[in-house]
Amino acid sequence: QVQLQESGPGLVKPSETLSLTCSVSGNSISSYYWSWIRQPPGKGLEWIGNIYYSGSANYNPSLKSRVTISEHTSKNQLSLSLTSVTAADTAVYYCATFDYHDQGFDNWGQGTLVTVSS
Amino acid sequence: QSALTQPPSVSGSPGQSVTISCTGTSGDVGAYNYVSWYQQHPGKAPKFMVYGVSKRPSGVPDRFSGSKSGNTASLTISGLQAEDEADYYCCSYAGSYTYVFGTGTKVTVL
Repeated sequence: QVQLQESGPGLVKPSETLSLTCSVSGNSISSYYWSWIRQPPGKGLEWIGNIYYSGSANYNPSLKSRVTISEHTSKNQLSLSLTSVTAADTAVYYCATFDYHDQGFDNWGQGTLVTVSS
Repeated sequence: QSALTQPPSVSGSPGQSVTISCTGTSGDVGAYNYVSWYQQHPGKAPKFMVYGVSKRPSGVPDRFSGSKSGNTASLTISGLQAEDEADYYCCSYAGSYTYVFGTGTKVTVL
C-alpha cells in the first residue's frame, strides 16, 4: 500500500497562504487519484478537493476561490495551497488516495495540524 | 453544499447491534449510490469501511454493513466489540465531482 506523509508549517498567520505537501512513497503518484480533506479540532471531516490524471481538479464550492491542488510528478508529491486563511482554516489536513471506481478515500496519511494565528 | 446529518452519538453493549443514520438530500445521498463510511479512532486518520452504499473493502469485518433508503444511508455494526468504539463519518457524492461528509457519530461500547 502506498505510504503518504503530509508536511508543512504548523503555524500560519491570518490572511497569508497555507501551503502543504503530501509525499508519496511505494508507488508513482501518477498511479492514483488524490484528495485533500481537513478536520478542525474536535469537529468533523470536510472534503477540500480531488485531483485526477492530467492535473484536472475539482474543489469544495465553499473553498473553490481560495484553494489549489497540484501534482508534482518529478518529486512524487502532491501539494495544497489555501489563500487568505483565517482562524476557521485551523485544522488537521489529510491527503488521501481516491478510488474513482469505488468512489471512496481508501488510503489516508497521518495528517498534519495547521494553526492559523497571529 | 451542507454536511450530511448524523446523530451525535449512539451506544450499545458488546454483542449488540447499533445503527448510524446519515441523512442527506435528493441531490446527494438520494441521487447516487456513492455513499462511503469511515471509522476514526482518537488521534488517528480515518479508515475506509464501506463504499458504494453497502460494499466492504478487503479486510473490513462483515459485522459492518451499509444500506440506503431514499435520502438516508445507514451503517449497522453487528456483534459490537470494544474496538468498534470510535467516530464514524458518512460521505456522499454530491454531483459535479464534489463530495460531502456527514457530521460524524461517536459510537460508545458500554
